[in-house]
Amino acid sequence: NAGVTQTPKFQVLKTGQSMTLQCAQDMNHEYMSWYRQDPGMGLRLIHYSVGAGITDQGEVPNGYNVSRSTTEDFPLRLLSAAPSQTSVYFCASSDGANTGELFFGEGSRLTVL
Amino acid sequence: AQSVSQHNHHVILSEAASLELGCNYSYGGTVNLFWYVQYPGQHLQLLLKYFSGDPLVKGIKGFEAEFIKSKFSFNLRKPSVQWSDTAEYFCARKPNDYKLSFGAGTTVTVRA
Repeated sequence: NAGVTQTPKFQVLKTGQSMTLQCAQDMNHEYMSWYRQDPGMGLRLIHYSVGAGITDQGEVPNGYNVSRSTTEDFPLRLLSAAPSQTSVYFCASSDGANTGELFFGEGSRLTVL
Repeated sequence: AQSVSQHNHHVILSEAASLELGCNYSYGGTVNLFWYVQYPGQHLQLLLKYFSGDPLVKGIKGFEAEFIKSKFSFNLRKPSVQWSDTAEYFCARKPNDYKLSFGAGTTVTVRA
């Protein structure tokens, strides 16, 4: 059982470049989300989705886009990377209905030069 | 806005010492509380959770947490830590919707 799979694990970008962080889950979870983790700030919610075709903004959505065309996939797009987006990104999913427990991917470390 | 605050940024202790990490949440909404752990280089894993019932919750690896409604607190404890407990610990809260709000995290370093 793979759980939540993120790719790539590491990425270095130049300012202004775009890229997509991929996230896939095989648990048939309705809810998926993206967080960024920065020292001393914990995890901050970027975007989330409560089902295919539905997305919404979290605390820090600026500079990021998401889409949810299938239940399994929830890619995060950086449109024009900035050094402030240097961070570790985590994708998480949940069945949402009962426990709300999040299952996390292993993270993607992004450096923007 | 719902918020979670963790009191300690970095805790350093010796093996066999007792550990207590503070967590407070803001008033209002459903109280669903979690503690997650992140071992070095790994993703977050659930330690324990509280939704209702017995306010003393037992989790994995000998951890427990106590929900004290009057203090808006959900502190994490372990009677005797091991070197392998070195990690970052996050308190989180799920209000009425799907989203979790996380505290800033506490880094715990256990010295052998």
